[in-house]
Amino acid sequence: EPEVTQTPSHQVTQMGQEVILRCVPISNHLYFYWYRQILGQKVEFLVSFYNNEISEKSEIFDDQFSVERPDGSNFTLKIRSTKLEDSAMYFCASSPAPAFYEQYFGPGTRLTVT
Amino acid sequence: ELKVEQNPLFLSMQEGKNYTIYCNYSTTSDRLYWYRQDPGKSLESLFVLLSNGAVKQEGRLMASLDTKARLSTLHITAAVHDLSATYFCAVDASGSRLTFGEGTQLTVNP
Repeated sequence: EPEVTQTPSHQVTQMGQEVILRCVPISNHLYFYWYRQILGQKVEFLVSFYNNEISEKSEIFDDQFSVERPDGSNFTLKIRSTKLEDSAMYFCASSPAPAFYEQYFGPGTRLTVT
Repeated sequence: ELKVEQNPLFLSMQEGKNYTIYCNYSTTSDRLYWYRQDPGKSLESLFVLLSNGAVKQEGRLMASLDTKARLSTLHITAAVHDLSATYFCAVDASGSRLTFGEGTQLTVNP
């Protein structure tokens, strides 16, 4: 069964460093998402992406964040200058279309900022 | 701003008992999803509810959606230990983002 994959599974970085989190969505899906979950809290939407542009972003997704689909398979989330409060689990998701279709979540990348 | 509230947030129950988790949301939507999350793991899709009155069942879990009341329920029948996990409801009101509830941490005791 096709699945969303994410790398790395765990990333440790120092405050102020740039990180890139990678995702490979399910191959025939067209819509891609990033969510984050701070330990013990609920899952929060960051951004949705379709047709090589951002469809919607939350207030969390400020200028420090960017997303890109650099080739036909990868979907990346870049955090330019990490802060301690960026420590969280980051989930990538994909769906064949928005609305009426479930989003399939990847296993997540645990980001620890020290 | 869409708000999604679950209750209870913590639920400890004995094996064999029944219980219901409630998910209320604040904006009109007819798309609601239930996910299960085990500790340190990703989100596993349980149910997709796409219309008023939708009811879906899988094993000991049954989910329903009442869009008029803006309420979904996840009913657990004859709980078993394997159901111990955190359960999230999520509402899609815009077509491009899911808004999650706080999650219900379920512990089923022998």
